[in-house]
Amino acid sequence: GESVGLHLPTLSVQEGDNSIINCAYSNSASDYFIWYKQESGKGPQFIIDIRSNMDKRQGQRVTVLLNKTVKHLSLQIAATQPGDSAVYFCAENMSQGAQKLVFGQGTRLTINP
Amino acid sequence: NAGVTQTPKFQVLKTGQSMTLQCAQDMNHNSMYWYRQDPGMGLRLIYYSASEGTTDKGEVPNGYNVSRLNKREFSLRLESAAPSQTSVYFCASTRVGQGSQETQYFGPGTRLLVL
Repeated sequence: GESVGLHLPTLSVQEGDNSIINCAYSNSASDYFIWYKQESGKGPQFIIDIRSNMDKRQGQRVTVLLNKTVKHLSLQIAATQPGDSAVYFCAENMSQGAQKLVFGQGTRLTINP
Repeated sequence: NAGVTQTPKFQVLKTGQSMTLQCAQDMNHNSMYWYRQDPGMGLRLIYYSASEGTTDKGEVPNGYNVSRLNKREFSLRLESAAPSQTSVYFCASTRVGQGSQETQYFGPGTRLLVL
């Protein structure tokens, strides 16, 4: 899972395999969670989100799982492609007022041909 | 739609100099945000504007000021730049203001180097 520090966690998978990226969030009152993808030199790009009243949500080739009991979030990417290589961030909304996201450190995913 | 745009893309400053980073969105979003991203780290919120006419501090506001010029534009100012402010700055926006569970859309970033 993600943690505070200077070294980015990394994950390498073979092209075509499935990947799972994990994230431990900090606030049990957080009500909204987002996964972002960031390619080198670009801003974060939305992948998928999930609200706290759900435990699973699926998109195209991606699935997010939320386990509120242990404050854990995961992103599953099916049939990985070279274009999936990037840094992936989870973010939680900790505010009951205006949205204020807190980001995890990120995980660098590398897809090997 | 251009989405969220930021200028400049890259800037080098000397310690003590000032500058303003510009951000604009054309999605008619209510809320706008400024983040900084240091190497190997996630984004940290500097300031945000839940709606036109309001601004609030985020996690790391010291050394920065912001102006919500109108609904489209949200600027970030460094009055006296310090090397610790060397970072990549991202602007973002969301459609809804209060209590939102809406996606934030990000600009391409401004890379700032303070010597």
